[in-house]
Amino acid sequence: EPEVTQTPSHQVTQMGQEVILRCVPISNHLYFYWYRQILGQKVEFLVSFYNNEISEKSEIFDDQFSVERPDGSNFTLKIRSTKLEDSAMYFCASSEGRGPSYEQYFGPGTRLTVT
Amino acid sequence: QQQVKQSPQSLIVQKGGIPIINCAYENTAFDYFPWYQQFPGKGPALLIAIRPDVSEKKEGRFTISFNKSAKQFSLHIMDSQPGDSATYFCAASWDSNYQLIWGAGTKLIIKP
Repeated sequence: EPEVTQTPSHQVTQMGQEVILRCVPISNHLYFYWYRQILGQKVEFLVSFYNNEISEKSEIFDDQFSVERPDGSNFTLKIRSTKLEDSAMYFCASSEGRGPSYEQYFGPGTRLTVT
Repeated sequence: QQQVKQSPQSLIVQKGGIPIINCAYENTAFDYFPWYQQFPGKGPALLIAIRPDVSEKKEGRFTISFNKSAKQFSLHIMDSQPGDSATYFCAASWDSNYQLIWGAGTKLIIKP
C-alpha cells in the first residue's frame, strides 16, 4: 500500500539554526500539507500546497517557515531560524484532491527538538 | 469558534467494553467530521468520518453518532480489543477549506 514517508524521524538542532524536514508524498497525490503537534497538545495545521504554490496557511506559518517541492517527489518544510517553541512532531500529509471528500494520508512524522 | 473540544483526555476500558469519546464544536460552517487513530510512532490514519446530514455512521466496530443541534459528535467502539489501544483524534473542516481543525486527542487503553 502506498504511504507517505518522512525523513529524518528525529532531528535535533540548536536554536537559531535552519532545518529542512523532508517528505515524499504518495505518487499520484496533488495536494500536500504540513501539520505539527507539540508534545501533549493537539495537531495544528500549518500549510497546504498545490500546483507549486501555497494554497492556504495558518497563523503559525509565519515568515520563518517555507515549503517547496524541489523535484517531482519531495516536499520540504524549511524553518529558517529555529526557536525553542518549534520543538514538536511535524507531520506531512498528501491527498488526491481538495477538500473533505479526499482523505489526507499522513506520514509517520519527524520529531524536531530545538535546544 | 475554530476549536474542537475533545474529552476525555484518557480512557481505560476492559476488553469487550464500549469506549465512548466525545467532541464538541462551535463553528456551524463545519460540514465534515473525521476521526483519526494514531498508534505510537505512526502518523494519524483516518478511521471513519461523517457529514452532518446523517445522525449515525457505522463502519465495522466503529460508530460515529452526530447531534447537529447540540453541535456534538462521538465515537463508539463496539467489542473493544487490546489492538484498539491508540490515541484517537476528532477533527472538523468545511468544504471550502483544506485544513483540519483537531481535537486534543484521547489516549485509549483496552485492558485484556
